[in-house]
Amino acid sequence: GQQLNQSPQSMFIQEGEDVSMNCTSSSIFNTWLWYKQDPGEGPVLLIALYKAGELTSNGRLTAQFGITRKDSFLNISASIPSDVGIYFCAGQLWSNYQLIWGAGTKLIIKP
Amino acid sequence: DVKVTQSSRYLVKRTGEKVFLECVQDMDHENMFWYRQDPGLGLRLIYFSYDVKMKEKGDIPEGYSVSREKKERFSLILESASTNQTSMYLCASSSGQGADEQYFGPGTRLTVT
Repeated sequence: GQQLNQSPQSMFIQEGEDVSMNCTSSSIFNTWLWYKQDPGEGPVLLIALYKAGELTSNGRLTAQFGITRKDSFLNISASIPSDVGIYFCAGQLWSNYQLIWGAGTKLIIKP
Repeated sequence: DVKVTQSSRYLVKRTGEKVFLECVQDMDHENMFWYRQDPGLGLRLIYFSYDVKMKEKGDIPEGYSVSREKKERFSLILESASTNQTSMYLCASSSGQGADEQYFGPGTRLTVT
């Protein structure tokens, strides 16, 4: 099936650093979603975006719906140890029940 | 809060066994989904349902079937388990109006020996 291009695949960062990741697609989406998955658990919804250009925050997390409708970005400010996990983007095409998923960005904090 | 529960966190079955994975949501959601997750492959959709007794194939339906007899419950069935079905299985639900925001259960890690 179709998949979004999510990058980077993994990131090693120092505690306190800011983090950026993004997803791109060749298709136009009407919804972008960002999830986080902790080891051994199901993904948890972080942020939902519904309009092109929309910028939404959830605590230290900020996500944007790209103007072209073909991309989205997630930023984490001042990372802390509990930010470790896998972050997934997902998009919904027009008039389609399915979500299209990115392969995930694994966030690892250097000791 | 939306709650999606799955019948088992860990399951070990033998090759050829029939396996049932149960998922229940308590938010009166219309849509329910079954995914499998394997390292490096992300989430892959097996089946989904947008109404009671309705089902649609996802990207990888082979070797699986589903049942939705009640709105809150969506079952995934492996008719004859094989070792290549060893995986993490995730159930999700969403309210309707297309996929929208999906809410996930904790997952079932299935090992087929």
